[in-house]
Amino acid sequence: GQNIDQPTEMTATEGAIVQINCTYQTSGFNGLFWYQQHAGEAPTFLSYNVLDGLEEKGRFSSFLSRSKGYSYLLLKELQMKDSASYLCAVRDPSGNTPLVFGKGTRLSVIA
Amino acid sequence: ETGVTQTPRHLVMGMTNKKSLKCEQHLGHNAMYWYKQSAKKPLELMFVYSLEERVENNSVPSRFSPECPNSSHLFLHLHTLQPEDSALYLCASSQGAPGPYEQYFGPGTRLTVT
Repeated sequence: GQNIDQPTEMTATEGAIVQINCTYQTSGFNGLFWYQQHAGEAPTFLSYNVLDGLEEKGRFSSFLSRSKGYSYLLLKELQMKDSASYLCAVRDPSGNTPLVFGKGTRLSVIA
Repeated sequence: ETGVTQTPRHLVMGMTNKKSLKCEQHLGHNAMYWYKQSAKKPLELMFVYSLEERVENNSVPSRFSPECPNSSHLFLHLHTLQPEDSALYLCASSQGAPGPYEQYFGPGTRLTVT
């Protein structure tokens, strides 16, 4: 089967660091994506991991452990504009759906 | 126009109507996708087209009918929909498919079925 788990909601303070976790159970694995979606807008690509380790891109970093079926998205120096939903998606070439999305984590950044 | 565009942005239709959603990508990609996004549910992949051929049909009811006349355009034809089909319909494109390619999404069409 295919299953992606993320926390439903998180709250963090402006200027702080927040880590959004994602665990997955899929038959196959060919990469993990993180997308950001502001309310009423389209998802936008943040990161892609296919090998274990940390990928850093400015204030955002994404980590992958394939053996644990685990990823996290790390957001540093939080800004109010980072309030959005963060979607974890796994590419599973062996499943019925090639790209499986989690339900998303709604992050609220407060002053 | 740049990126992925979708029209209309909002649509209200009755259960007996026939309507079409349109998507256009200006990125030179050769794969296009239709997704359904309902409240409190994950994004659901509906259809995948690669090089204008349908490569994925994720058990979608026949009242949804996709059409891909060329690599830049994608349509979703709708007929005799149900109220539970009300959702945000997102179009996306990528460099190729299948594969771990980054997808670029359009702004979506908010569909309400009455």
